[in-house]
Amino acid sequence: AQRVTQPEKLLSVFKGAPVELKCNYSYSGSPELFWYVQYSRQRLQLLLRHISRESIKGFTADLNKGETSFHLKKPFAQEEDSAMYYCALGTGGGNKLTFGTGTQLKVEL
Amino acid sequence: KAGVTQTPRYLIKTRGQQVTLSCSPISGHRSVSWYQQTPGQGLQFLFEYFSETQRNKGNFPGRFSGRQFSNSRSEMNVSTLELGDSALYLCASRLSGQGFDEQFFGPGTRLTVL
Repeated sequence: AQRVTQPEKLLSVFKGAPVELKCNYSYSGSPELFWYVQYSRQRLQLLLRHISRESIKGFTADLNKGETSFHLKKPFAQEEDSAMYYCALGTGGGNKLTFGTGTQLKVEL
Repeated sequence: KAGVTQTPRYLIKTRGQQVTLSCSPISGHRSVSWYQQTPGQGLQFLFEYFSETQRNKGNFPGRFSGRQFSNSRSEMNVSTLELGDSALYLCASRLSGQGFDEQFFGPGTRLTVL
């Protein structure tokens, strides 16, 4: 069975500091991984996906199959980055997402 | 383009009752997925419909069921409600249901079971 683990419930950093949100997965097949974000009082929305290998809002994430990880990184945190971040594993042809429990990122001034 | 809409936004029911939630996907989207979100279990996949057919199903009891209509609108039904069914139910739509195109989430329906 597939599983996504986000070890930190809350991550607090100062503005301008680097950010790393951890995500590990367990899946026997070829993984498709995503990061979703939920800002205060907004809907859950896609931040980035590993197949796109893109940087969104300064965030990047690299899939490491050896370590079964997909950590989210940003070199310099901004106040507007404060939000709930969910790592998700796509299976079933992308039709089913298995989410981690989420990490609340708080960027302090 | 209007986003995913869900109705009602809030519901209060008592144990043993049944409930039907509705989801209207983004125009042109044919895949609709449902998720349950609770503080204890987080976001859990319920099922996914594409062209009126259920394609994937999560690990929920048979009391949870759904359907999709020819206009891609979807409904989710929970029968014989239990206290543990109190949750935020999210619906998400995708364009084609093929590959890994983006899922767009609705605002959710907050169900409280008393």
